Amino acid sequence: SQTIHQWPATLVQPVGSPLSLECTVEGTSNPNLYWYRQAAGRGLQLLFYSVGIGQISSEVPQNLSASRPQDRQFILSSKKLLLSDSGFYLCAWSVSPRGYGYTFGSGTRLTVV
Amino acid sequence: SQQGEEDPQALSIQEGENATMNCSYKTSINNLQWYRQNSGRGLVHLILIRSNEREKHSGRLRVTLDTSKKSSSLLITASRAADTASYFCATDSPIVDMRFGAGTRLTVKP
Repeated sequence: SQTIHQWPATLVQPVGSPLSLECTVEGTSNPNLYWYRQAAGRGLQLLFYSVGIGQISSEVPQNLSASRPQDRQFILSSKKLLLSDSGFYLCAWSVSPRGYGYTFGSGTRLTVV
Repeated sequence: SQQGEEDPQALSIQEGENATMNCSYKTSINNLQWYRQNSGRGLVHLILIRSNEREKHSGRLRVTLDTSKKSSSLLITASRAADTASYFCATDSPIVDMRFGAGTRLTVKP
């Protein structure tokens, strides 16, 4: 069966520090991968999605970047965190092509102080 | 940018009552999905309804889709305290990838 792992669960980082959040999927190949951010009490904002290794699409300009070094690995990064980067980050995957729903990771609560 | 917009933003009911949440969207879609999120957790996929379907059931969940009105509703029958969560609709369209609304916060009081 397919599973998705996302870590860490919580993270407190100072302003200006780097960030690396990792997401891996098991039990499937060539998944579509997604990074979402959720502000407190709000919906999800799509940050990045990837349909294959090295293929990254960015939805909004921001202080973040994403990479997909392996088929089932998706990494969210920042060189220098801002206070506004605080939020709940969710990784998700779907089959390629789409149409069968997304499976989400358990999320990372990032607090930039 | 958001596509689905849930209504109401918050809903409080007694255990045993039915809960109805609505979702409106703007562009044509391939399918519409409902998700549930417990506080501080990831989203869990509940049900998917395709654009050529009008109604779908899964246990105590009933989803309807009206593509002419670009709207969907999620009905939870005989609600339980454990149904307390935020519920999101998400649209999958030919043009853009999945878009989520801001969600409905459902509170079921025991």
